[in-house]
Amino acid sequence: DAMVIQNPRYQVTQFGKPVTLSCSQTLNHNVMYWYQQKSSQAPKLLFHYYDKDFNNEADTPDNFQSRRPNTSFCFLDIRSPGLGDAAMYLCATSRWTGADTQYFGPGTRLTVL
Amino acid sequence: KNEVEQSPQNLTAQEGEFITINCSYSVGISALHWLQQHPGGGIVSLFMLSSGKKKHGRLIATINIQEKHSSLHITASHPRDSAVYICAVTPGGYGGSQGNLIFGKGTKLSVKP
Repeated sequence: DAMVIQNPRYQVTQFGKPVTLSCSQTLNHNVMYWYQQKSSQAPKLLFHYYDKDFNNEADTPDNFQSRRPNTSFCFLDIRSPGLGDAAMYLCATSRWTGADTQYFGPGTRLTVL
Repeated sequence: KNEVEQSPQNLTAQEGEFITINCSYSVGISALHWLQQHPGGGIVSLFMLSSGKKKHGRLIATINIQEKHSSLHITASHPRDSAVYICAVTPGGYGGSQGNLIFGKGTKLSVKP
């Protein structure tokens, strides 16, 4: 049974055209994370929510925003995608922050034309 | 120097071989994670450990806190084990923490039949 679901799996957008990526979870976890992973690189944390509390990483560009309307869903909005934003976007969840296992979704591969 | 170093970067093995991937870290940690990522796919958490040794099927993870070193072993390797294996740590004393993982660059394993 899928526990962390991401939609779509593949997303193509045009330069500057806003795009929204979706993540949902059936684990009822408190924490949801968004990572960006570029080719052959380690995942980079963009931000995370602990319940409704939003935590932005210091170096996450303003172009990236997130919403968490309820426990199950979290969205990543890219307001004006640039070519450099083409990447795999990974959603993950955990029960709490700190030393806890993170459960990852399958990722959404974003292409920017 | 990265805070989490893995070796080797690339590893090719014949089916059935015993495989070891190493991870060294230079920060205090509350946990160390071994993750698996198949090509084009999401990430699966294999182990989270803070001391000693854990075993799951053909996978064994060990950690030596004093030496700041962990190993992931795969016994009787199989082509389906081909993936990128990532070591990540949850920094210690981070408490109440942001849950940020510090990732190694990964080890790309290819098991030939």
